[in-house]
Amino acid sequence: GQNIDQPTEMTATEGAIVQINCTYQTSGFNGLFWYQQHAGEAPTFLSYNVLDGLEEKGRFSSFLSRSKGYSYLLLKELQMKDSASYLCAVRDSDYKLSFGAGTTVTVRA
Amino acid sequence: TAGITQAPTSQILAAGRSMTLRCTQDMRHNAMYWYRQDLGLGLRLIHYSNTAGTTGKGEVPDGYSVSRANTDDFPLTLASAVPSQTSVYFCASSDSSGSADTQYFGPGTRLTVL
Repeated sequence: GQNIDQPTEMTATEGAIVQINCTYQTSGFNGLFWYQQHAGEAPTFLSYNVLDGLEEKGRFSSFLSRSKGYSYLLLKELQMKDSASYLCAVRDSDYKLSFGAGTTVTVRA
Repeated sequence: TAGITQAPTSQILAAGRSMTLRCTQDMRHNAMYWYRQDLGLGLRLIHYSNTAGTTGKGEVPDGYSVSRANTDDFPLTLASAVPSQTSVYFCASSDSSGSADTQYFGPGTRLTVL
């Protein structure tokens, strides 16, 4: 099974940077995903890491360290529309996803 | 492109009644999943199907059943609903042919069992 931890809430100012950390303990690791979920909506895919290092996609970047069981999602140049929950998910060797409880990010003007 | 559709959008159900939540995808993805999402607990896998004709149990399968008669449809049935099944239910699908194997989610069904 998987044990995935991420902070419950974070608040940041428009234009700033926020880093959401995710730690995991896994019986079999086959990739880590980040999803964004706005209130009342479905999760949407943001990023995928399977090798150590940083993956950059525009304002969003995701980092993975498999030896430390650690990932972070970096959101730069925050916009009001970035207010949402961010879900860390680990895929196991059977290709099943286990999700963390999510981090609610509030962006203030 | 429709992607994944779910029906109904929301439902209030009396305890003890049965109900089927519908999920249809038009992306020809071979794998499909059902999750429930509860406050503070995140998404939990109920059942999954790696390909048409096969199904498997996830983390919280009790009280739920699924079938996968074809590639596009993956209904979830509650045979006798209980209040603890009050939740938001998401269906998802993935291609499983590439290493990323990204799961795409439907809009969800909000179910209240009274």
